[in-house]
Amino acid sequence: NAGVTQTPKFRVLKTGQSMTLLCAQDMNHEYMYWYRQDPGMGLRLIHYSVGEGTTAKGEVPDGYNVSRLKKQNFLLGLESAAPSQTSVYFCASRTQVEGRTEAFFGQGTRLTVV
Amino acid sequence: KQEVTQIPAALSVPEGENLVLNCSFTDSAIYNLQWFRQDPGKGLTSLLLIQSSQREQTSGRLNASLDKSSGRSTLYIAASQPGDSATYLCAGGDNNDMRFGAGTRLTVKP
Repeated sequence: NAGVTQTPKFRVLKTGQSMTLLCAQDMNHEYMYWYRQDPGMGLRLIHYSVGEGTTAKGEVPDGYNVSRLKKQNFLLGLESAAPSQTSVYFCASRTQVEGRTEAFFGQGTRLTVV
Repeated sequence: KQEVTQIPAALSVPEGENLVLNCSFTDSAIYNLQWFRQDPGKGLTSLLLIQSSQREQTSGRLNASLDKSSGRSTLYIAASQPGDSATYLCAGGDNNDMRFGAGTRLTVKP
């Protein structure tokens, strides 16, 4: 029962490098989300998806791109990493069955940009 | 879009005390409200989920309430224990997205 799995768990990038974070869920959820968490600021929504093939911007989308080619996967890309993108990134998926909706989170990816 | 605020930012109490954490939101058309716990360096663990049609949920020593008309939710923790020390986050949103408060960092002293 894997739930929501994030890959990788840790990464150090140099300024200007690119990378992709992978989020995979095995619960057949329609909704998926990417957040970043910085000290004292809670979680801020980067992008989200309400189904396969759809994406939408959240609160802080600049510098990030996403794709949802398969229902179970939601990818977050950084095309040219900046030190301001040093953060902990969390992925979540959410079910919505008969009006009941509950979110489940991955364990996070700690990204440092130097 | 929904804005979520949590007060206080930090709280320290002696073991055994009952306490209340507060969460306020700007849009009364909230779809649901979920309370999470986060331990240092860890992910989020769901504690309680309140659907928009509900007013409260209970799990063990935890009770969460939702008052949409006033834009407020509270998390009540009874008989606090040192193991309850963590950051507590509330999240709410519309049908699609989900927004978080900044959290309340709780310390329960033995």
